Amino acid sequence: EPEVTQTPSHQVTQMGQEVILRCVPISNHLYFYWYRQILGQKVEFLVSFYNNEISEKSEIFDDQFSVERPDGSNFTLKIRSTKLEDSAMYFCASSGRRTEAFFGQGTRLTVV
Amino acid sequence: QKEVEQNSGPLSVPEGAIASLNCTYSDRGSQSFFWYRQYSGKSPELIMSIYSNGDKEDGRFTAQLNKASQYVSLLIRDSQPSDSATYLCAETRYSGAGSYQLTFGKGTKLSVIP
Repeated sequence: EPEVTQTPSHQVTQMGQEVILRCVPISNHLYFYWYRQILGQKVEFLVSFYNNEISEKSEIFDDQFSVERPDGSNFTLKIRSTKLEDSAMYFCASSGRRTEAFFGQGTRLTVV
Repeated sequence: QKEVEQNSGPLSVPEGAIASLNCTYSDRGSQSFFWYRQYSGKSPELIMSIYSNGDKEDGRFTAQLNKASQYVSLLIRDSQPSDSATYLCAETRYSGAGSYQLTFGKGTKLSVIP
């Protein structure tokens, strides 16, 4: 069964460093998303990506965040100058023509 | 601000019983509704989607939608210990800009007691 894959599963970084989280969405899907979940809190939308551009972003997705689909298969989230409060689980998701979104297994980001 | 409200629980049911999970949403324009299951430390797993008023059954799961009352529910029949997880209710509508952004509730923690 097709699935969304994310790497790495766990990333530890020092405050102020840049991190890149990687995702391979399901191959025939059209819409791509990043969500995050701070420990004990709800899943929050960050950004959606369609037709090679950002289609919607939340207030959380400020200038320190960026997304890219560099090669037609990978979908990346870059966080510049990480802060302690960026520590969370980051989930990539993708959906096809239907609205059902399927999530990857997540990357646990720990900023120290 | 769109809101999805769920009782955080925990909801405890004995093995074999019916678990009933409820959710309300604030956006009358919401078009699609989903239930995700999330085990501790894992990612959300889609278990049900529902788009129109009424019931939708899939195995032991039944989703119910009432758009007039802005209410979605999930029934789990013959509950098993493996059903113990947090159940997330989510809604979406097309933004018109190439996005089906999901808005999630905080989730209801279900515990099935053997």
